[in-house]
Amino acid sequence: EIVLTQSPDFQSVAPKEKVTITCRASQDIGLSLHWYQHKPDRPPKLLITYTSQSISGVPSRFSGSGSGTDFTLTINGLEAEDAAAYYCHQSRNLPLTFGGGTKVEIK
Amino acid sequence: EVQLEQSGGEVKKPGESLRISCKGFGHNFNDFWISWVRQMPGKGLEWMGRISPTNSYTKYSPSFEGHVTVSFDKSINTAYLQWSSLKASDTAMYYCASGPGALDVWGQGTTVTVSS
Repeated sequence: EIVLTQSPDFQSVAPKEKVTITCRASQDIGLSLHWYQHKPDRPPKLLITYTSQSISGVPSRFSGSGSGTDFTLTINGLEAEDAAAYYCHQSRNLPLTFGGGTKVEIK
Repeated sequence: EVQLEQSGGEVKKPGESLRISCKGFGHNFNDFWISWVRQMPGKGLEWMGRISPTNSYTKYSPSFEGHVTVSFDKSINTAYLQWSSLKASDTAMYYCASGPGALDVWGQGTTVTVSS
């Protein structure tokens, strides 16, 4: 099973600041890494697919990078509505797995 | 556009059985696997397993295999997640989701509470 390790677990960031979340895979997953935003009482929302591909309707301040085992989600210019938990997810191998999540709080 | 609609919340006692559902809408519904994802209270997302709407082939996470059953009724485009004997530790929110690799369509979630 591929283990995804996210860091940090929690981040408190002021509006307009930059947020960086990392996700490390226990083995090479190529580019098969996706990012989700999850707010309370809502289903998760896909933000970035296959490491860096944007999703229609997702603000351009969200971007992804990486390959192999190391990946990054960046939020350039945090907004109040971005307060949420963020998860990475790999679809390279079964079982599919998620990272442990990063909670982003607005300072 | 594919949409997934889940059944309503459930309150059950330990040892009881339960089946929750996920109905698909949209002409591309059968193109992708349907996954089930668990979120226990205060915890992260866990992939449980998935089923193919085309041939009902299933694959489970080792953490869930043997404890839940995933099935699909082609006649009504509905996927199911089933327990034969619930435990208190099954208390969680359960989501169905679909997509070509990433999970880009999600149901609204079904809350399951297991308490004596």
